[in-house]
Amino acid sequence: SQQGEEDPQALSIQEGENATMNCSYKTSINNLQWYRQNSGRGLVHLILIRSNEREKHSGRLRVTLDTSKKSSSLLITASRAADTASYFCATDAWGAQKLVFGQGTRLTINP
Amino acid sequence: DVKVTQSSRYLVKRTGEKVFLECVQDMDHENMFWYRQDPGLGLRLIYFSYDVKMKEKGDIPEGYSVSREKKERFSLILESASTNQTSMYLCASSLYGVGLRGSSYEQYFGPGTRLTVT
Repeated sequence: SQQGEEDPQALSIQEGENATMNCSYKTSINNLQWYRQNSGRGLVHLILIRSNEREKHSGRLRVTLDTSKKSSSLLITASRAADTASYFCATDAWGAQKLVFGQGTRLTINP
Repeated sequence: DVKVTQSSRYLVKRTGEKVFLECVQDMDHENMFWYRQDPGLGLRLIYFSYDVKMKEKGDIPEGYSVSREKKERFSLILESASTNQTSMYLCASSLYGVGLRGSSYEQYFGPGTRLTVT
């Protein structure tokens, strides 16, 4: 069964606006990761946040983690056309050697 | 930069054929993974390997096998391809499988192989 569930499934915004995607999961985790996938390509790792962290930044990306609600959000500020992609969260449960990916949010940035 | 390469970007095979998908990473990573990606189903783990000659079943191993004879190479084998194995196949590697407190590390993905079985 899928561990992570992204919301919304699709998001369309104007260039320059901020984009927020959410991820919910079911079991206790060690860390949560966000990946980007451009159409027809492999996934690219964006950011990893550990279970004892609440917020993390990387350039225009801001990730938050609320372990009490078992949820995370990815904020992309000042969006650009190049941010058009699918975004996936991935979690690893305690003791697991593998990540479980959600189904992703399809983000479209309109010029 | 870590580089993960896959042998083909596009592949068309006939039902019943034996299919080999090759994946090579150049950063001495311990772990390697094979996923398939289908619309509406996301990424699903087929098999992974945490060492040479070691393999572990993922969530959907039926109809697939794997081989890891060298650390840098992880092969996915479809013994007898079927139309329901038409999919995008993604290979990934990570530095360690299990880190501090059993946590996972970031994975590096290849560009994917789009396999069509007719």
